[in-house]
Amino acid sequence: AQSVTQLDSQVPVFEEAPVELRCNYSSSVSVYLFWYVQYPNQGLQLLLKYLSGSTLVKGINGFEAEFNKSQTSFHLRKPSVHISDTAEYFCAVNTPSTGTASKLTFGTGTRLQVTL
Amino acid sequence: EAQVTQNPRYLITVTGKKLTVTCSQNMNHEYMSWYRQDPGLGLRQIYYSMNVEVTDKGDVPEGYKVSRKEKRNFPLILESPSPNQTSLYFCASSLGRTNNSPLHFGNGTRLTVT
Repeated sequence: AQSVTQLDSQVPVFEEAPVELRCNYSSSVSVYLFWYVQYPNQGLQLLLKYLSGSTLVKGINGFEAEFNKSQTSFHLRKPSVHISDTAEYFCAVNTPSTGTASKLTFGTGTRLQVTL
Repeated sequence: EAQVTQNPRYLITVTGKKLTVTCSQNMNHEYMSWYRQDPGLGLRQIYYSMNVEVTDKGDVPEGYKVSRKEKRNFPLILESPSPNQTSLYFCASSLGRTNNSPLHFGNGTRLTVT
């Protein structure tokens, strides 16, 4: 079985400061990893994904994440945040498997609060 | 515009009164799913569907029903809602042929059961 842990439920940060949102996963097989963002009163939208290849993945809005297999982590980073980045961020994991159920497992979310 | 449309956005009902939340996607996606989002618990999968007439339970299916008679629609049915089903519900879809397909989400339905 796979699982995702987002240790930080809330991360307050000042505008233009760097931020890292932590995500650790557990799986006995290889994984696909995703970060989704949820802006207020909206559904989730894909920020970035790791499927294979380069461990550094770049996404939308200047975010990036690094897959670290030895530490089973997929932390999300941005060098300089904006007020508009205030949102809830979800890490999610799935396993490569074709023709079977898609069991995407979400973390509990991290609320990023950017202030002036 | 490619989208997943849920209706209604907000719904207040009373215990035991049957309700349906509709979900429709215009991307010809095979895979559709329902999630509920609760504070501190993240998103939990209720039911999913791999294709027309193919549905299966997710992690928290109790008290819910779904149907997939057409590819584009995947309604969520609460036959006898209870207060513990008060939550924010999301419908999502993806191509579904492999597990690396990202999900496209609707804007959510906030349900309150009194």
